[in-house]
Amino acid sequence: DAGVIQSPRHEVTEMGQEVTLRCKPISGHNSLFWYRQTMMRGLELLIYFNNNVPIDDSGMPEDRFSAKMPNASFSTLKIQPSEPRDSAVYFCASSTHSGPNQPQHFGDGTRLSIL
Amino acid sequence: SQQGEEDPQALSIQEGENATMNCSYKTSINNLQWYRQNSGRGLVHLILIRSNEREKHSGRLRVTLDTSKKSSSLLITASRAADTASYFCATDAHNNNDMRFGAGTRLTVKP
Repeated sequence: DAGVIQSPRHEVTEMGQEVTLRCKPISGHNSLFWYRQTMMRGLELLIYFNNNVPIDDSGMPEDRFSAKMPNASFSTLKIQPSEPRDSAVYFCASSTHSGPNQPQHFGDGTRLSIL
Repeated sequence: SQQGEEDPQALSIQEGENATMNCSYKTSINNLQWYRQNSGRGLVHLILIRSNEREKHSGRLRVTLDTSKKSSSLLITASRAADTASYFCATDAHNNNDMRFGAGTRLTVKP
């Protein structure tokens, strides 16, 4: 089975530019999660979706961040405009549903560097 | 915000030795999960223990859960160099469906 697929794997861009990160969850999984990982703050949940509907976006740092899930097989996380402090590794994960007993399957992340 | 906190932050052992990592959390939970992260990769689920379970085994992994102390431990027996990775605990709060991860323990197993 294909796992969670994220693209791009690396992104380097200048501050002020728009950044779009992409995620394809595992087929049949109904929940999708976006995380950000930094040395200082560890792994932070940004937002998660159930059946393509955003459930909790309280972790989204500010209005510059937005996430969409137009269908069950695709999600995007957009940062506009980007800032150097957004530099981090962004992970997407999926699970069969967001119930408390479900393991999450992670992609290999997008390493984002904002210059 | 983080729910679980791992201890120690870093652990270095020789191949063949056992590695024990601990996790403490603050609120009541439905379950606790352990994940591994190799450098440059995503997290991989290792084991899940429910709040009504006290111990669980999977291969060389042994997980314990003490809900009265709000703590869990992950034991890796007969460690191998390939076990070198960061290990995270993740918990769900009773009223939430999402998981919160700790800061992780960085394990180095020297050949």
